[in-house]
Amino acid sequence: SQTIHQWPATLVQPVGSPLSLECTVEGTSNPNLYWYRQAAGRGLQLLFYSVGIGQISSEVPQNLSASRPQDRQFILSSKKLLLSDSGFYLCAWSVRRLTYEQYFGPGTRLTVT
Amino acid sequence: AQKVTQAQTEISVVEKEDVTLDCVYETRDTTYYLFWYKQPPSGELVFLIRRNSFDEQNEISGRYSWNFQKSTSSFNFTITASQVVDSAVYFCALSETRGNNRLAFGKGNQVVVIP
Repeated sequence: SQTIHQWPATLVQPVGSPLSLECTVEGTSNPNLYWYRQAAGRGLQLLFYSVGIGQISSEVPQNLSASRPQDRQFILSSKKLLLSDSGFYLCAWSVRRLTYEQYFGPGTRLTVT
Repeated sequence: AQKVTQAQTEISVVEKEDVTLDCVYETRDTTYYLFWYKQPPSGELVFLIRRNSFDEQNEISGRYSWNFQKSTSSFNFTITASQVVDSAVYFCALSETRGNNRLAFGKGNQVVVIP
């Protein structure tokens, strides 16, 4: 069966510090991968998605970047965090080329102070 | 552009009551998919159901049921005989067949089941 991992689970970082969140998927090959942010108020915002190694599409211009160094690894980064980067970050995967459901990881709660 | 509207922000019910969550969507595609997800207090989104635009049959799974009406662009979700464990935020989402499987989420319904 497929499993998706995210770490860390929680993170408190000062403004201006770098960020690296990692997501890995097990039990599937060639997945689509996604990063979402959920700010206070519940709405889910798609940040990045990837259909393959090294292929990243950005949905919203911002302070963040994403990379996919391996087929089942997706990394969200920032060089300098802003207060507005605080939120709950969710990674998700789906079967490639099919418009089916996405499966979400447990999330990382980021607080920028 | 695709859009999903969940008008009710927070709904409180007493345990064992039924609760219905409304979802209205907009899309120009003739082929699309609709989803419901549950987000309990732990935060992880749990997939509940997928429905494609060509299948308007209603579905029942235990205490959950879904009513898809293409004529009114709605995909409503009912929890029958609610329980405290149903307390969560519920999201409706839409995906068109184009667009790399991107999901457009509604803002969610916060359901609070009072014991």
